[in-house]
Amino acid sequence: QVQLQESGPGLVKPSETLSLTCTVSGGSISSDYWSWIRQPPGKGLEWIGYISYSGNTNYNPSLKSRVTMSVDTSKNQFSLKLSSVTAADMAVYYCARAVGYFYYMDVWGKGTTVTVSS
Amino acid sequence: DIQMTQSPSSLSASVGDRVTITCRASRSISSYLNWYQQKPGKAPKFLIYTASSLQSGVPSRFSGSGSGTDFTLTISSLQPEDFATYYCQQSYSTPYTFGQGTKLEIK
Repeated sequence: QVQLQESGPGLVKPSETLSLTCTVSGGSISSDYWSWIRQPPGKGLEWIGYISYSGNTNYNPSLKSRVTMSVDTSKNQFSLKLSSVTAADMAVYYCARAVGYFYYMDVWGKGTTVTVSS
Repeated sequence: DIQMTQSPSSLSASVGDRVTITCRASRSISSYLNWYQQKPGKAPKFLIYTASSLQSGVPSRFSGSGSGTDFTLTISSLQPEDFATYYCQQSYSTPYTFGQGTKLEIK
């Protein structure tokens, strides 16, 4: 059974880069699409983007200029970098598996809270 | 972007009730509509894909219907563990977007 686990700093300074990694266990990253979603405190869900095992990416245009995703198939991991963070980027960040061709997100990590503060 | 609008935003119901949540897309998304359940402090749980297909392991009291722009999630007989927030999400075109959520509370 595939499981996902997010990791990374829980505190990031304003204007710096948020970096998170999602480790895939119980299955291979070499299929499907691997997504990031975030949820600000008390608010709804926002899709950040996805990356395929081959490295093809699709980002939300609202964040595209600041987002970079990468995949490391040798470690069964994929990563998110979000640059120039502000308080508006404070959220719980989730990684999830998106099943092509319908791109529904069937497996989610538990989420990691990112605070932006100096 | 395709806007997803859920109604109601909140709903009070009792154990055993039948409840329906509606999700409307700002333009046709065929059947590319998914539903998730989220409990406080937890990650969303995937329930239904392509509008009406139940994910393996999800109780049969959950059902979904619709196509085009209008969709519904129905819980036929509410159980205590069903009180949560429900989100619809379109996967027809990127950026994938979610509804604002429907909070289902105990009456």
